Amino acid sequence: DAKTTQPPSMDCAEGRAANLPCNHSTISGNEYVYWYRQIHSQGPQYIIHGLKNNETNEMASLIITEDRKSSTLILPHATLRDTAVYYCIVAGTASKLTFGTGTRLQVTL
Amino acid sequence: DAGVTQSPTHLIKTRGQQVTLRCSPKSGHDTVSWYQQALGQGPQFIFQYYEEEERQRGNFPDRFSGHQFPNYSSELNVNALLLGDSALYLCASSLWLQGVIWSPLHFGNGTRLTVT
Repeated sequence: DAKTTQPPSMDCAEGRAANLPCNHSTISGNEYVYWYRQIHSQGPQYIIHGLKNNETNEMASLIITEDRKSSTLILPHATLRDTAVYYCIVAGTASKLTFGTGTRLQVTL
Repeated sequence: DAGVTQSPTHLIKTRGQQVTLRCSPKSGHDTVSWYQQALGQGPQFIFQYYEEEERQRGNFPDRFSGHQFPNYSSELNVNALLLGDSALYLCASSLWLQGVIWSPLHFGNGTRLTVT
């Protein structure tokens, strides 16, 4: 599975959009980009995934560049409850996910 | 609709002992995966069970073993505990379709194991 690079931490003001970047320059053609988040003392929570098209669901939007070497997770209106560690994962299927250390997002008033 | 449930939530064991952790998958799911999360790190894949068989395994020693029951629930067993086995153990469930997993993993809140 391709390796991903994420900034260790980010801050975002409540109500503003949070844009979390992820680099995955060695991604293969059949690998998906998955995003999970982990709120303190809880298990990881699935957010969204995509192959090459941009995706949107009730939680977030995923923007994947045309060359697929990077992506951005967008939380359109961040709230304090979005404070968590966000993991970007590249994998062929959801069978065996390789988590890195993620981005710690702090949403502030 | 119950999500993934794990028991116990916390456990303290002594070096050399054995431990069994339990997991019930989300309703409708048939595949269970186990992950180990050390403090400050992301979860690391241990193994995955489908149809009561281990289907994939990560880079963990044989001291880590598992089982899946006909009702899809699962156990993780760790023998000869080491201090380094102290971690949060996470169970995740999903659906197995045509030999691959397409549905997102649903995680439980884990069992916090402390080895003294």
